[in-house]
Amino acid sequence: EVQLVESGGGLVQPGGSLRLSCAASGFSFSSYWMTWVRQAPGTGLEWVANIKHDGNETSYVDSVKGRFTISRDNAKNSLYLQMNSLRAEDTAVYYCARGGSYSAAWGQGTLVTVSS
Amino acid sequence: IVLTQSPGTLSLSPGERATLSCRASQSVSSSYLAWYQQKPGQAPRLLIYGASSRATGIPDRFSGSGSGTDFSLTISRLEPEDFAVYYCQQYGRLPRTFGQGTKVEIK
Repeated sequence: EVQLVESGGGLVQPGGSLRLSCAASGFSFSSYWMTWVRQAPGTGLEWVANIKHDGNETSYVDSVKGRFTISRDNAKNSLYLQMNSLRAEDTAVYYCARGGSYSAAWGQGTLVTVSS
Repeated sequence: IVLTQSPGTLSLSPGERATLSCRASQSVSSSYLAWYQQKPGQAPRLLIYGASSRATGIPDRFSGSGSGTDFSLTISRLEPEDFAVYYCQQYGRLPRTFGQGTKVEIK
């Protein structure tokens, strides 16, 4: 069974940093692109970033470029999102998802709240 | 690519047909368009990819169509479990983008 489990969310002050993790199991993690998608409270889905299966190619939405870094450790079957210079508008549930285009497998999400 | 979904809310009864629209600001290459269903407190669920291909385990009452800039999702006969929010997503260009969603609610 494919499983994606996010962790690392929480309350952080504006300007602060947080690192999200996504533990993958049930599939060959190193063979798949991976993606982070977020959803602010009461709003729709926003694609954040994706990363190639070998980690050598990444893409970001403009609103997080220069602040967020997506990475992966294929030996640990894990995906990461390092978030720096956090803003109130980054408050959202962050989902990791399998695939770099559409995603058939999603985690349950981890909530990030940016507030003083 | 900006995706605009309409209507924002669709009020229908079980058994009725639902037609949701997704319009792109530019042509979506190779029909790289997907549809997702999301229920409160849950992660999105992939329904359709490639504009018209059903994902694994998706009932055949869900169908997708369209090309270029105009796409649609049709639910032939609404079941109680189909009342949810639906999103389209294009994956032909970076950054990938989602529509703002259509809520299908019980009338």
